Amino acid sequence: ETGVTQSPTHLIKTRGQQVTLRCSSQSGHNTVSWYQQALGQGPQFIFQYYREEENGRGNFPPRFSGLQFPNYSSELNVNALELDDSALYLCASSPKTGRSNTEAFFGQGTRLTVV
Amino acid sequence: SQKIEQNSEALNIQEGKTATLTCNYTNYSPAYLQWYRQDPGRGPVFLLLIRENEKEKRKERLKVTFDTTLKQSLFHITASQPADSATYLCARPVSGNTPLVFGKGTRLSVIA
Repeated sequence: ETGVTQSPTHLIKTRGQQVTLRCSSQSGHNTVSWYQQALGQGPQFIFQYYREEENGRGNFPPRFSGLQFPNYSSELNVNALELDDSALYLCASSPKTGRSNTEAFFGQGTRLTVV
Repeated sequence: SQKIEQNSEALNIQEGKTATLTCNYTNYSPAYLQWYRQDPGRGPVFLLLIRENEKEKRKERLKVTFDTTLKQSLFHITASQPADSATYLCARPVSGNTPLVFGKGTRLSVIA
């Protein structure tokens, strides 16, 4: 296990609703990234947080937003859910050590189904 | 944009053989490439990182190569076992450190 925990593990929402997913990063890691993984695809980068500030964003609309807290845990919020938002949402933490090469430690993911 | 292509969606091999998975990238060479293993319904697990100035990296039965001329990385599993069956993902950084751009993955099935 990586020490990155996500909640909930599974979630079913109705189109148009809002959802909040949560992630606790590995101890000592101050950088959290969120990814969306559709079935049969690789993870797609949503955004990254470093020391409570957004530090990069992928090609996702503004209804995808996030937060990082002082303890480096993080939330992903999605408003106005669409059917295509159904996917596995992954959180990954990494240490921002200043080195250029660091592995990402992923949580087990939250499976979101929008009906 | 930076892209990662894993050409084989699925690969079936017999137990004991060497599995070879391919990852191709576009545009400039990344500072490094990473390989992950993902089991169904789980998050990816980091396996190996290889820097652009390294030709080859090994870890137990795993070997990764990085060819900047071909813009390609090869991932080998020697003496494959049924427990190696999983999806293997190749990833490169967008710039510098994270975030990562992932390929679609190759689903490996090792048949006993």
